Amino acid sequence: GENVEQHPSTLSVQEGDSAVIKCTYSDSASNYFPWYKQELGKRPQLIIDIRSNVGEKKDQRIAVTLNKTAKHFSLHITETQPEDSAVYFCAASNGQAGTALIFGKGTTLSVSS
Amino acid sequence: SAVISQKPSRDICQRGTSLTIQCQVDSQVTMMFWYRQQPGQSLTLIATANQGSEATYESGFVIDKFPISRPNLTFSTLTVSNMSPEDSSIYLCSGTGTAEGYTFGSGTRLTVV
Repeated sequence: GENVEQHPSTLSVQEGDSAVIKCTYSDSASNYFPWYKQELGKRPQLIIDIRSNVGEKKDQRIAVTLNKTAKHFSLHITETQPEDSAVYFCAASNGQAGTALIFGKGTTLSVSS
Repeated sequence: SAVISQKPSRDICQRGTSLTIQCQVDSQVTMMFWYRQQPGQSLTLIATANQGSEATYESGFVIDKFPISRPNLTFSTLTVSNMSPEDSSIYLCSGTGTAEGYTFGSGTRLTVV
């Protein structure tokens, strides 16, 4: 089955800096790669996703890149703000087949002002 | 995208008892999934529930402990049976219609005393 590795486990940045979180996956059949932000006591919220037919996707300060050959994808947050502080999870699935999302272990991002 | 109502939102239960968690989706979804999120950890897949067939359980999870029902395309339940303090966790349901991505319920925070 799918296995998703996520690094780093914690990340501390100054406000305005960029943050990068990286994930690798094992199943070449995976074709859907979402990123979730989870604040304390709340459900995971989808912040951006990418499908295997594109290499990069951007949404304002957030971008995701995908390298299918190397089986890794990354989340990039630019101009970080204190409200970006949260736990971020990457995940992978075969979205076309409707298989379950398999999550990485998460990255705790702290943005200090 | 679909909206999932999950209940109860939290409960405190005595060891040895059982709790049934319900998830109601506002539209039909092909697949539903149940996850466990232990404190400070990532989401771990318990099982995949397809309508009209027995749920498929991940390694480490068994039907006797976590029986699941999926009577139609908009509803599913997870029962945590014969609970022990180690079952204290957040339980989340999720659904997908494949094209729309994945939606999560708000979670059930279970404490076993």
